Amino acid sequence: DAKTTQPNSMESNEEEPVHLPCNHSTISGTDYIHWYRQLPSQGPEYVIHGLTSNVNNRMASLAIAEDRKSSTLILHRATLRDAAVYYCILLPGDQFYFGTGTSLTVIP
Amino acid sequence: KAGVTQTPRYLIKTRGQQVTLSCSPISGHRSVSWYQQTPGQGLQFLFEYFSETQRNKGNFPGRFSGRQFSNSRSEMNVSTLELGDSALYLCASSLPAPYGYTFGSGTRLTVV
Repeated sequence: DAKTTQPNSMESNEEEPVHLPCNHSTISGTDYIHWYRQLPSQGPEYVIHGLTSNVNNRMASLAIAEDRKSSTLILHRATLRDAAVYYCILLPGDQFYFGTGTSLTVIP
Repeated sequence: KAGVTQTPRYLIKTRGQQVTLSCSPISGHRSVSWYQQTPGQGLQFLFEYFSETQRNKGNFPGRFSGRQFSNSRSEMNVSTLELGDSALYLCASSLPAPYGYTFGSGTRLTVV
């Protein structure tokens, strides 16, 4: 089973920030936290990853708790194109096990 | 650079037949992993190949097999197809952990 737990679904209004949580209480010191998203009928695509410090890129921000037992993917302004399933995965500790992710619905 | 290429994109097969799916990884990526995704389900790990050797295996019956060639291209085979094998089959290539995955667009297999 995956070492991460995520809510099954979340909703957000368009142009508002979205915070997608992920719990990983058994994370090891060498595990990186990766996030992927899967648009309908496509393969998952990489979003962001981090080890200890918060990370930003053009797609999103990743906030990592100080004890590393949880993290939050932040989409600063949700658009309709952000409607997807978001997966949180630990690498290398949980490689290959994506779980069922969080299905994000963006409301116009 | 070129992404991960999966062929064919769509496939319709009859129950009892066999099928072979192909995956060409990103140049330089030696690890290729395969996943099955059925409606409403997450990605179910099938197996991973590295340098032509199966290195990890998920919990699927022996009807599901794969191989990897010296150029890192990989194929997966499903024999004696069942209706429940209808799914999106995804492959991903990667550099050694902690680098992440690059996925292909998948092959949509329908068994009738």
